[in-house]
Amino acid sequence: EAQVTQNPRYLITVTGKKLTVTCSQNMNHEYMSWYRQDPGLGLRQIYYSMNVEVTDKGDVPEGYKVSRKEKRNFPLILESPSPNQTSLYFCASSLHGQGGYEQYFGPGTRLTVT
Amino acid sequence: AQSVAQPEDQVNVAEGNPLTVKCTYSVSGNPYLFWYVQYPNRGLQFLLKYITGDNLVKGSYGFEAEFNKSQTSFHLKKPSALVSDSALYFCAVRITGANNLFFGTGTRLTVIP
Repeated sequence: EAQVTQNPRYLITVTGKKLTVTCSQNMNHEYMSWYRQDPGLGLRQIYYSMNVEVTDKGDVPEGYKVSRKEKRNFPLILESPSPNQTSLYFCASSLHGQGGYEQYFGPGTRLTVT
Repeated sequence: AQSVAQPEDQVNVAEGNPLTVKCTYSVSGNPYLFWYVQYPNRGLQFLLKYITGDNLVKGSYGFEAEFNKSQTSFHLKKPSALVSDSALYFCAVRITGANNLFFGTGTRLTVIP
């Protein structure tokens, strides 16, 4: 089944404790992206990757890191999480990053930082 | 700069009635427009998109949307609403040559039995 998977689905952590949220897609998509969803703000893009070893900042990259060493994986790293990073995070992928290609979303990771 | 506006946070409609979820956009080039739906505790699912050609686009679950260039709108419509259509709907836009997809703030649709 074609899908985007994220792990973990739920995570509660404390301020400053490094964490990684994994994302994997099995559709051989070139483009992958991370979003955060907050009430009243919709989805905001954190980072995206046009292809392996090519990443770029989205609208809200502060406090986050990403890497794209393999085509299928695009982990999101919070080196020192803070409470304002409490949010619902989505990974997405599409065949290409430009043009009219729709994105496929993972199920989401709900992160709480205390 | 690109932006998307969904002017209604909440739309309520009776089951069986037609529904409309509004979306307007502001871009500096030609837009690609998308609608996504989010059910509770789920990721976003693609509904339909406008790339070029016919202004009326048909998508999944009986939804359609009309691209109106003069009004810079891309409203989502369905002739007869179902209770199962209750969800959060997002409009999104990308311009030609751009890498980013910009989302609206979402509209919560509630279909009342």
